[in-house]
Amino acid sequence: GQNIDQPTEMTATEGAIVQINCTYQTSGFNGLFWYQQHAGEAPTFLSYNVLDGLEEKGRFSSFLSRSKGYSYLLLKELQMKDSASYLCAPMDSNYQLIWGAGTKLIIKP
Amino acid sequence: GAVVSQHPSRVICKSGTSVKIECRSLDFQATTMFWYRQFPKQSLMLMATSNEGSKATYEQGVEKDKFLINHASLTLSTLTVTSAHPEDSSFYICSARDGTSRETQYFGPGTRLLVL
Repeated sequence: GQNIDQPTEMTATEGAIVQINCTYQTSGFNGLFWYQQHAGEAPTFLSYNVLDGLEEKGRFSSFLSRSKGYSYLLLKELQMKDSASYLCAPMDSNYQLIWGAGTKLIIKP
Repeated sequence: GAVVSQHPSRVICKSGTSVKIECRSLDFQATTMFWYRQFPKQSLMLMATSNEGSKATYEQGVEKDKFLINHASLTLSTLTVTSAHPEDSSFYICSARDGTSRETQYFGPGTRLLVL
């Protein structure tokens, strides 16, 4: 079967760094996406990894290890507006995104 | 960047009525559009995939006669919730993919449906 495993909730402090881990199992693989979703809103695109390694984009970085079925999203210099759910979504062999429930990140002052 | 719009953003209707939600790609041609539903604190659930000019492919457990999908043009797909009931109250989100990239999906802002 296909499944995603992420922590349900994480708490971090403003200005700090947080790493959100994701392990996945899919039927085939065509890359992995990270999305941010604020409460009551649609997901917004953060990153896409298709090859192993780290992709850095401003305060956000995403890492992928295909052999381990593992990815993480690293958020630096946390801001209050980063409080949101973060969705790890691998893409299967049919180019369909597989969604988990995401990780709710709470930022405290 | 690619923009997808949805209309309406919020709708309240009486039980038994039908509701139509529009999804438009504003600056690209969407060969494929996806309809998702999301209940509070749950993951996005893919309801159906529609390709322009052909019938939608529904996921298991999604009633095609209740959730009518029409992808009549390369920029517009509609989802009609027929004879809506309170349990259909949810957040409906569409996404669109253009013909140049199978990987990238652009999400609309979502439609919140409340059935009384």
